[in-house]
Amino acid sequence: QVQLQESGPGLVKPAETLSLICTVSGGSINTYYWSWIRQPPGKGLEWIGYIYYSGVTYYNPSLESRVTISLDTSKNQVSLRLNSVTAADTALYYCARAGLLTKRAFDYWGQGTLVTVAS
Amino acid sequence: EIVLTQSPATLSLSPGERATLSCRASQSVSSSLAWYQQKPGQPPRLLIYDASNRATGIPARFSGSGSGTDFTLTISSLEPEDFAVYYCQQRTNSPMYTFGQGTKLEIK
Repeated sequence: QVQLQESGPGLVKPAETLSLICTVSGGSINTYYWSWIRQPPGKGLEWIGYIYYSGVTYYNPSLESRVTISLDTSKNQVSLRLNSVTAADTALYYCARAGLLTKRAFDYWGQGTLVTVAS
Repeated sequence: EIVLTQSPATLSLSPGERATLSCRASQSVSSSLAWYQQKPGQPPRLLIYDASNRATGIPARFSGSGSGTDFTLTISSLEPEDFAVYYCQQRTNSPMYTFGQGTKLEIK
């Protein structure tokens, strides 16, 4: 059974960098797209970006200037870095898998990790 | 950017009734549309992909239809566990993903 687990600091100061890791267990990173998606408290879902197992990335244009997603295949981990954070970046951050069998819909999700931006 | 508009924002129904949720895209997304269910404190769960294909383990009472700009998620007979928030999501060739704002399905 594939499992995704997000980890990282729950509190980040304004103007600093948010860094999260998603550890994938029970399956391989290969042949899938790995996305980060966030959800502000009580609000809807926003796609941040993805990385393909080959290393190709694509980001939401609204966040592109501040986002980096990377892959460590040896550790089965996907990382997110978001620079220059503000209170508007406070959200529950999910990692999610998309594959060709589901026409790149997100079939597995982590439980999410809450990140609060505050001084 | 393609905008997805879901309606209604809230749908109040009773167990056993039929639920019809709508998702409209600002431009054609062909059949590249998925539906998710989210319960409080849980991540979204994939229900439908490619507009009409049920994901693994999803009960047959859930069905999706539509193509182009107009899509529907139908729950044929509501079970108590179906009351949740539902999101549609599209992926274009750009390859940007966007989500609708959600429909809350609540018990009447």
